Amino acid sequence: NAGVTQTPKFQVLKTGQSMTLQCAQDMNHNSMYWYRQDPGMGLRLIYYSASEGTTDKGEVPNGYNVSRLNKREFSLRLESAAPSQTSVYFCASSEATRSTYEQYFGPGTRLTVT
Amino acid sequence: KNQVEQSPQSLIILEGKNCTLQCNYTVSPFSNLRWYKQDTGRGPVSLTIMTFSENTKSNGRYTATLDADTKQSSLHITASQLSDSASYICVVLSGGSYIPTFGRGTSLIVHP
Repeated sequence: NAGVTQTPKFQVLKTGQSMTLQCAQDMNHNSMYWYRQDPGMGLRLIYYSASEGTTDKGEVPNGYNVSRLNKREFSLRLESAAPSQTSVYFCASSEATRSTYEQYFGPGTRLTVT
Repeated sequence: KNQVEQSPQSLIILEGKNCTLQCNYTVSPFSNLRWYKQDTGRGPVSLTIMTFSENTKSNGRYTATLDADTKQSSLHITASQLSDSASYICVVLSGGSYIPTFGRGTSLIVHP
């Protein structure tokens, strides 16, 4: 039982390049999330998926797209990377989007855009 | 706007000492409050959850309190260990939202 896995762990991009961050969970959770974490800032929600087949914008969605490929996988795509997207990206999952259900986080992807 | 404020921003203590971290929130209506521990280079891990009716909850050496009237929570760490060195994040969920509000965290360093 690996929990939440993310690939890659590290990535360096040039401005304008595109890439997809992959996330998978093996806990049969319905809901999945993408966050970014910047120094001195709290975790900020980019997009979330309440259940398979649905996605919604979070607090900071501009410059990103997501795909809920199936119940296990939720990917985050940067179409044209910008230096402002340099951050640590965390994927999380939970049994439901509300109530007391705990969010389980992956190990993070450290992205640098030059 | 929903906000979660944590204090202090950083804290350095000696191994074996106790410490208390604070969290003030303006999230309304309140659903629940979680404390997460985030080790360097890792994702956050939940320590405890507080709902409206709970005042105190313990998880080993960690004790969380909640005062829903003043909208304050604290996390008390007893007999600190080197492994307690981490960032502690307060997260509050509104009753009407799918999106939790995260505090910026308190960075705790425990020195031998």
